[in-house]
Amino acid sequence: GIQVEQSPPDLILQEGANSTLRCNFSDSVNNLQWFHQNPWGQLINLFYIPSGTKQNGRLSATTVATERYSLLYISSSQTTDSGVYFCAVEPTGGGNKLTFGTGTQLKVEL
Amino acid sequence: SAVISQKPSRDICQRGTSLTIQCQVDSQVTMMFWYRQQPGQSLTLIATANQGSEATYESGFVIDKFPISRPNLTFSTLTVSNMSPEDSSIYLCSVPGVGNTIYFGEGSWLTVV
Repeated sequence: GIQVEQSPPDLILQEGANSTLRCNFSDSVNNLQWFHQNPWGQLINLFYIPSGTKQNGRLSATTVATERYSLLYISSSQTTDSGVYFCAVEPTGGGNKLTFGTGTQLKVEL
Repeated sequence: SAVISQKPSRDICQRGTSLTIQCQVDSQVTMMFWYRQQPGQSLTLIATANQGSEATYESGFVIDKFPISRPNLTFSTLTVSNMSPEDSSIYLCSVPGVGNTIYFGEGSWLTVV
């Protein structure tokens, strides 16, 4: 099946810093989403981005489908950004089934 | 976006018992999905709940351990049977929404002691 790897696995930032999270996938995809999992376990949709670039406030994402990677940018990080960030993909013909990446654990400190 | 409610949100269970998790969606959906997230791990798809037919299970998951019901287009249940501590996980229900976005419920935290 499709492989999804994220880097870095762990990241500690000072509040106000910027960061880039990366997601590499091994095959073509219909769907790519970024999620933030908060400490209570809830998955929050950040972006649906199978290709192109999107921005939402301090967050933006870019997917280069032909090169099979996606980037999530967090600017001016806040302590509330802490948690785990997952990239998830639906392979072409995957029927809405998502394969999740390994995740990036982010901690933002004062 | 779809509104997905799960019950229970959290439970502590004795080994050897079974627990049924409910998932309710605020709109009709063709497919519903159940995922498991073991402690410190990523999410793994357990099965697809199909209305009017048996669930489709992913490799490594079997119906006897994780029976699923899908009585209508807005509701599904997942039962975790004969639980052991290794079943301690977050169980999440998900549905496809507008524009191919996949949405998740709040999750059901299960601890087996």
